[in-house]
Amino acid sequence: DAGVTQSPTHLIKTRGQQVTLRCSPKSGHDTVSWYQQALGQGPQFIFQYYEEEERQRGNFPDRFSGHQFPNYSSELNVNALLLGDSALYLCASSLSQLAGGLTDTQYFGPGTRLTVL
Amino acid sequence: DQQVKQNSPSLSVQEGRISILNCDYTNSMFDYFLWYKKYPAEGPTFLISISSIKDKNEDGRFTVFLNKSAKHLSLHIVPSQPGDSAVYFCAASAWSNYQLIWGAGTKLIIKP
Repeated sequence: DAGVTQSPTHLIKTRGQQVTLRCSPKSGHDTVSWYQQALGQGPQFIFQYYEEEERQRGNFPDRFSGHQFPNYSSELNVNALLLGDSALYLCASSLSQLAGGLTDTQYFGPGTRLTVL
Repeated sequence: DQQVKQNSPSLSVQEGRISILNCDYTNSMFDYFLWYKKYPAEGPTFLISISSIKDKNEDGRFTVFLNKSAKHLSLHIVPSQPGDSAVYFCAASAWSNYQLIWGAGTKLIIKP
């Protein structure tokens, strides 16, 4: 059973460019969350996708956008890259609880290391 | 404003002894708490969780204690093993809120 996979592993971009990161959830999971982890800090919640819609968003600007496909895989897009966007981007998948609330464990991929020069 | 705090950036423990990792939170709406372990070049791995209706949860060598009045939780690892060397993150969530709020992590080093 494949776990959460992310691509690419590493990425180098320059300021102002745009980037797309990809995530395939664990088999059977229908919910994908994206996190940004800066060096020496814990992950920061960007947003969560369920049923192909953004269900909740953290405190990130509109430059950060996402998409979820019918097969539950997801993309994170970042436009107009800034130096401060350099970080490890983590994708986590879980099985949504229809009653609402975070009741299922989130499983994480290995992350994509983004460097903005 | 850090809602979840792990005040010890690192902790060194002798193999076989008990490791105690601490976490404090400020948001009284949090009702679910988790501990994750992270090795270099890997994503965080879920270890153990606790609901606010409990004050203790055990899973093998790992026990999490929750003190709601003090807004404090701790992770006990007994006995500590070399493979436990990793960064440990505390995370919290509130009912009907889908995001996890994370601490900055504590690097645990198990000495042989």
